[in-house]
Amino acid sequence: AAGVIQSPRHLIKEKRETATLKCYPIPRHDTVYWYQQGPGQDPQFLISFYEKMQSDKGSIPDRFSAQQFSDYHSELNMSSLELGDSALYFCASSLESIMNTEAFFGQGTRLTVV
Amino acid sequence: KNQVEQSPQSLIILEGKNCTLQCNYTVSPFSNLRWYKQDTGRGPVSLTIMTFSENTKSNGRYTATLDADTKQSSLHITASQLSDSASYICVVSRGSTLGRLYFGRGTQLTVWP
Repeated sequence: AAGVIQSPRHLIKEKRETATLKCYPIPRHDTVYWYQQGPGQDPQFLISFYEKMQSDKGSIPDRFSAQQFSDYHSELNMSSLELGDSALYFCASSLESIMNTEAFFGQGTRLTVV
Repeated sequence: KNQVEQSPQSLIILEGKNCTLQCNYTVSPFSNLRWYKQDTGRGPVSLTIMTFSENTKSNGRYTATLDADTKQSSLHITASQLSDSASYICVVSRGSTLGRLYFGRGTQLTVWP
């Protein structure tokens, strides 16, 4: 079965550069979540989308933006990168229109800012 | 404040032994509680999901329990294997609002031969 696909798997950027992370949810899933997980830390919720509309917003910096497109894939855009942005970025998808269904996670994108 | 607390923070057990991980939450309104296994550098993989009305659910050697009254859950692992070494994360979904999963910090389990 198809899973959540994230790209790229690894990304190295310099300070003040821009990065774009992509997430392709499981087909027919209507909700996408973005999480940031620093080294040795628990995942921090950034933002989520339901049916292409932002549904919830967490600790996402103003330097970051995200959107969900008509084909339900989502992109997390990160500008003016800082060393502290180095982390594992996870995307998850679920079918929230049906209550209590699983959220499935991608393998993550490891971003390293140097 | 919506929070998920897990204990212990880390645990080392010998192969073949059993262990129990704990999760307490204050997320409200409660929708469901999920246990995930996360290998280092990988995405979390779902083990179980339980709703308000479910007290226990098993998935192979993993058995999760839920007491919605006391807002506590446990994950019991039987006959541990070396491959069980991972972080086990308790995640609670808040009802009525789409899009928010609350994560615990996880319990780092190490299984020694």
